[in-house]
Amino acid sequence: DGGITQSPKYLFRKEGQNVTLSCEQNLNHDAMYWYRQDPGQGLRLIYYSQIVNDFQKGDIAEGYSVSREKKESFPLTVTSAQKNPTAFYLCASSMGVGTDTQYFGPGTRLTVL
Amino acid sequence: AQTVTQSQPEMSVQEAETVTLSCTYDTSENNYYLFWYKQPPSRQMILVIRQEAYKQQNATENRFSVNFQKAAKSFSLKISDSQLGDTAMYFCAFQGGKLIFGQGTELSVKP
Repeated sequence: DGGITQSPKYLFRKEGQNVTLSCEQNLNHDAMYWYRQDPGQGLRLIYYSQIVNDFQKGDIAEGYSVSREKKESFPLTVTSAQKNPTAFYLCASSMGVGTDTQYFGPGTRLTVL
Repeated sequence: AQTVTQSQPEMSVQEAETVTLSCTYDTSENNYYLFWYKQPPSRQMILVIRQEAYKQQNATENRFSVNFQKAAKSFSLKISDSQLGDTAMYFCAFQGGKLIFGQGTELSVKP
């Protein structure tokens, strides 16, 4: 079964802690993305990666970091520098960057206590 | 910079009826793609339909169809024979490189 998985579904963090959100895909897609969704808003791009060992900042990269050591995996770390991290985080992938259709994972809800 | 505007924050429709969701966008590009995504209460983002700007023919996927007016930069979604399972947030999105989303329209299908 091909698709995108994200874990955990719900994540709670204390202020000052770093947390890592997992995103894995078995679609053999080259490009992967992280988006943030706040209530009543559309999605905003945090980071994207076109290929292994390469990634680019999106519109709201401050306070976040990523790595792309394997084609299948694109974890997102929410650092303590992110001032308002409580949000819904969506991972997506596509064949390439540009005009290829993006497919999304089920998301992770992060709450800072 | 490209922008996507959905002017209807909320809509409702009776089951089995037809509803149209509006979307306008702004771009100076000539080649791009437009999408409608559905986000049900589970919050999974699901692709509904895709339109290539170079194609004049409007895209159709079963009960879902679009009215693409390139000159007017308009991209509306028509849902025919609405079903209870169509209740969701619907996002219009523009892709000329980066994928840019509108604010969404919350659709409720009432029995």
